[in-house]
Amino acid sequence: DAGVTQSPTHLIKTRGQQVTLRCSPKSGHDTVSWYQQALGQEPQFIFQYYEEEERQRGNFPDRFSGHQFPNYSSELNVNALLLGDSALYLCASTISPWGDTQYFGPGTRLTVL
Amino acid sequence: TQLLEQSPQFLSIQEGENLTVYCNSSSVFSSLQWYRQEPGEGPVLLVTVVTGGEVKKLKRLTFQFGDARKDSSLHITAAQPGDTGLYLCAAISSGSARQLTFGSGTQLTVLP
Repeated sequence: DAGVTQSPTHLIKTRGQQVTLRCSPKSGHDTVSWYQQALGQEPQFIFQYYEEEERQRGNFPDRFSGHQFPNYSSELNVNALLLGDSALYLCASTISPWGDTQYFGPGTRLTVL
Repeated sequence: TQLLEQSPQFLSIQEGENLTVYCNSSSVFSSLQWYRQEPGEGPVLLVTVVTGGEVKKLKRLTFQFGDARKDSSLHITAAQPGDTGLYLCAAISSGSARQLTFGSGTQLTVLP
């Protein structure tokens, strides 16, 4: 039973560039949430996707966007990268939007130079 | 203002010692969760506490939810080096999307 997988593991970009991160949810899960975790900080909720739509959004600018595909996998896109976007980006999946048990992937470490 | 305040922020102890981590808020929660995160990994759910005054035990870990459902604690008995990690409490939103709001975290190091 595959857990949550994320790609790539690490990524280095420069300011102003755009990045796409990918997530495959745990088998049987249809809801994906994205979190940003800056170094030494707690994860912060970015948004949640269900039925290919954004259901809830945290306090992040429009430079952060996402997508969910019919197979429930998801992408996180960040445009016009800033140095402050350097962080571990975590994907979590649940069995439904009302599921309380979130399973996290290992994250993608993004470094913006 | 942090919704969930965790203390201490850092804790370094010797193997075999006991410790308690606290998660406090002025808000009332329907439930709280505790996670452990190791370097390079995502958080892993340890427990969900739902009822005020509830106590749950997971081997050497004891979790308590305050009577007023505003605070929680995690007590580890006879800590081992394998307990090293970042411990996070988290509140689940009551809205249509179960987003998590995490506490500031407690970085625990257990020295052999």
